[in-house]
Amino acid sequence: DGGITQSPKYLFRKEGQNVTLSCEQNLNHDAMYWYRQDPGQGLRLIYYSQIVNDFQKGDIAEGYSVSREKKESFPLTVTSAQKNPTAFYLCASSIGNSDYGYTFGSGTRLTVV
Amino acid sequence: GQNIDQPTEMTATEGAIVQINCTYQTSGFNGLFWYQQHAGEAPTFLSYNVLDGLEEKGRFSSFLSRSKGYSYLLLKELQMKDSASYLCAVTGGYNKLIFGAGTRLAVHP
Repeated sequence: DGGITQSPKYLFRKEGQNVTLSCEQNLNHDAMYWYRQDPGQGLRLIYYSQIVNDFQKGDIAEGYSVSREKKESFPLTVTSAQKNPTAFYLCASSIGNSDYGYTFGSGTRLTVV
Repeated sequence: GQNIDQPTEMTATEGAIVQINCTYQTSGFNGLFWYQQHAGEAPTFLSYNVLDGLEEKGRFSSFLSRSKGYSYLLLKELQMKDSASYLCAVTGGYNKLIFGAGTRLAVHP
C-alpha cells in the first residue's frame, strides 16, 4: 500500500541537541512539506520541496533544516537554534498541485527534556 | 496578506446538525479544503470546493462562496466519533496549503 511514513512517533531531545525527523513516501509524489502544530495555532509551514534537490523556506524556517536528495525522502532536522521545539510535526506530500490536497504522515511528537 | 478565521471551539449534541464556518483572505486562491483531525493523529481529507455552491458527501457537506471569501462545513446526524478538530485550508500559491487554526468540536450524548 502506498503511503507516507514518519518516524519516530515520539522523540525526546535534550536542550542543545540536534534531532532529525524522518519522512518517507512511496506515492511517487513530487512535492513534500513539513508543518508544525502547536495547540490553538493550527498548522504552520516550516519547509517545502517541489522537486528533488530543491526546497524553500516556509513561514517558520528558523532553527530548522531539510534535505531532498531522493524523491521519496524529506528529513527535517531540528537544530539547537530552535528556541521552542516542543510540538507535533507533520510531514505531507502531494503530486505537486495543491488542488489535489495533501497526504499526511501520522506525525512525530517532539518534546524537549 | 493571508488570513483564515474559524471559531476555536464548538459543542453539539449527538444526532444534531452543526455548521462550522471559515472566512479567508488570500492571494492565489484556487480552492478550499476541509480536513478532520483527531487528537494526536494526522489530518484526513473531508472535502474540496473550487466552485461556488454546496458539495454533499454523506453526512458531511461543504459550501463555498468565492466572492465573499466564506465557506462552511455542515455535519448532520452527529455521532460521538465526530468529536475532533476541523481544519479549513486554502491553496496559497506555489502549491502550498494555508491552514486555519482549526475548530475543536465536542459532541455530547
